[in-house]
Amino acid sequence: EDQVTQSPEALRLQEGESSSLNCSYTVSGLRGLFWYRQDPGKGPEFLFTLYSAGEEKEKERLKATLTKKESFLHITAPKPEDSATYLCVVKAAGNKLTFGGGTRVLVKP
Amino acid sequence: SAVISQKPSRDICQRGTSLTIQCQVDSQVTMMFWYRQQPGQSLTLIATANQGSEATYESGFVIDKFPISRPNLTFSTLTVSNMSPEDSSIYLCSVQGSGELFFGEGSRLTVL
Repeated sequence: EDQVTQSPEALRLQEGESSSLNCSYTVSGLRGLFWYRQDPGKGPEFLFTLYSAGEEKEKERLKATLTKKESFLHITAPKPEDSATYLCVVKAAGNKLTFGGGTRVLVKP
Repeated sequence: SAVISQKPSRDICQRGTSLTIQCQVDSQVTMMFWYRQQPGQSLTLIATANQGSEATYESGFVIDKFPISRPNLTFSTLTVSNMSPEDSSIYLCSVQGSGELFFGEGSRLTVL
């Protein structure tokens, strides 16, 4: 059975304190790994797609990396506006999507 | 990317009533997806809506409870029928881009 596990469940950071979120996956035939940002009461906002081990994508203070077993979302020098839940979603063979539980990030000024 | 509009954005409903959520996309898409996100949980796929055919429901979801319409390639509706407090959730419409999914803003339903 496909599994996607995100850790930690929650993360409290001081403004400027860099950190990483983890997404570990076990799927049959990775077709893509997606990161989303979700603000409370809103729909997920697409951030990145990663397709193969070694791939990296960057956007402002966010950088996503991918290995054969996990993905990391690095937040560099976060600001309070980076506070959100970050979701990892994996697409496997047959286009089946498996969602992680999300990491709630709170950045305090 | 696709722009997806959902209505209503939020509503408070009485137990036993039904509510229809509308989803409008700014481009023609073959498949539209409906998700539910219960409080504090991740997203769960309810059904896939194809234009011109019946929706395909995931395990645990049935057409009588969540009837779906897909009259054309840019529009879909999801009805939550005979609501109970357990149906209080955010309901999300989604379409697929080149690989990733794009989501609407969600419809937050609270059932009293």
